[in-house]
Amino acid sequence: AQSVTQLDSQVPVFEEAPVELRCNYSSSVSVYLFWYVQYPNQGLQLLLKYLSGSTLVKGINGFEAEFNKSQTSFHLRKPSVHISDTAEYFCAVSVNRDDKIIFGKGTRLHILP
Amino acid sequence: DAGVIQSPRHEVTEMGQEVTLRCKPISGHNSLFWYRQTMMRGLELLIYFNNNVPIDDSGMPEDRFSAKMPNASFSTLKIQPSEPRDSAVYFCASSSVASGRYEQYFGPGTRLTVT
Repeated sequence: AQSVTQLDSQVPVFEEAPVELRCNYSSSVSVYLFWYVQYPNQGLQLLLKYLSGSTLVKGINGFEAEFNKSQTSFHLRKPSVHISDTAEYFCAVSVNRDDKIIFGKGTRLHILP
Repeated sequence: DAGVIQSPRHEVTEMGQEVTLRCKPISGHNSLFWYRQTMMRGLELLIYFNNNVPIDDSGMPEDRFSAKMPNASFSTLKIQPSEPRDSAVYFCASSSVASGRYEQYFGPGTRLTVT
């Protein structure tokens, strides 16, 4: 069965520092990959997606992610975080162009002043 | 586009009562998903529809839960009778795989509290 692993449940980082949120998936077939963000008391919002093409994907709010097929990873990065980036981040995978998306358990990003 | 619309945004009810959550997907989207989110269990897929037909309901907790999609623009999730452990945020999402857009668009959620 396909799965998504977000190794860090919480990540504290100082404001204006870089951050990387890790995501690994398990699948031997072609996948589509997503990162979603959930701000407090809101629904999930798409940050970025990888369907094909360039392995470096840029999203909204200055985030980017890199698809690494050999390591089955799709880590999310931002060079300089702001207090407004405080949220929970979910990695997700769609396998074989399925409608269904498998979500990871989420990583809470805490921005320290 | 107004996005995915859910109602009510908040629902407080007593144990044993029937609860109905409503969802209007984005126009043109042909897949609809119901999720439940709690601190303990995270985000769980309950059921999803494609072209108004239920495809996978393996996530529905038990017979107290039922979902319908009578047409392309409306879906309901019903809990009867409700129990305190059903307290959670319920999200509806829609997507349009047929158009090559695999991402799901989420509504704002319904926060359900069962006392």
